[in-house]
Amino acid sequence: QKEVEQNSGPLSVPEGAIASLNCTYSDRGSQSFFWYRQYSGKSPELIMFIYSNGDKEDGRFTAQLNKASQYVSLLIRDSQPSDSATYLCAYSKSSGDKLTFGTGTRLAVRP
Amino acid sequence: GEEVAQTPKHLVRGEGQKAKLYCAPIKGHSYVFWYQQVLKNEFKFLISFQNENVFDETGMPKERFSAKCLPNSPCSLEIQATKLEDSAVYFCASSRGQGPLLEQYFGPGTRLTVT
Repeated sequence: QKEVEQNSGPLSVPEGAIASLNCTYSDRGSQSFFWYRQYSGKSPELIMFIYSNGDKEDGRFTAQLNKASQYVSLLIRDSQPSDSATYLCAYSKSSGDKLTFGTGTRLAVRP
Repeated sequence: GEEVAQTPKHLVRGEGQKAKLYCAPIKGHSYVFWYQQVLKNEFKFLISFQNENVFDETGMPKERFSAKCLPNSPCSLEIQATKLEDSAVYFCASSRGQGPLLEQYFGPGTRLTVT
């Protein structure tokens, strides 16, 4: 079992729709969870992080964490073509710990 | 600086040659991480530093890879005697690493091509 599982996609949504990206993880010692966006040929860009169970909203993005179910998700409201990218889910276990990444979900937003 | 800086952007080496990559973390960040991205999205952790001390080197292929973070100098990752399989993008990331502030910010990467 991979440490972080993501559906590779592509997930295709029309412009203006909600895109829902999901991630499950196996290590119950995971403490902090991150969503990175990576455009082709570019570096990962941090878009959301969440440490506590529940929802965290930032603009059009909402991260949801359920530690009991070992599940973290990212919702993108009012999706734009510029949101088309690969979204990487990652976790770390403690201060200074490495990130463990999933293989990413490719999102395509259709104009 | 406000961003992680990495040089060079691209590096081409013949098999068996040495490659050296550099990283300057964000000012005030005490942790530096090196990751290797091969195939489309597979990230492999290599090594991390807390200031100039190795924090975690569990991902390093020790025979040919070495890394340093010295005071007042960019951090470096060196590959002796490169192999074709070392072709990848190498990302450096930095983090404050204090309390809940665990977020890591990535540099633009160095694309290493071994021919």
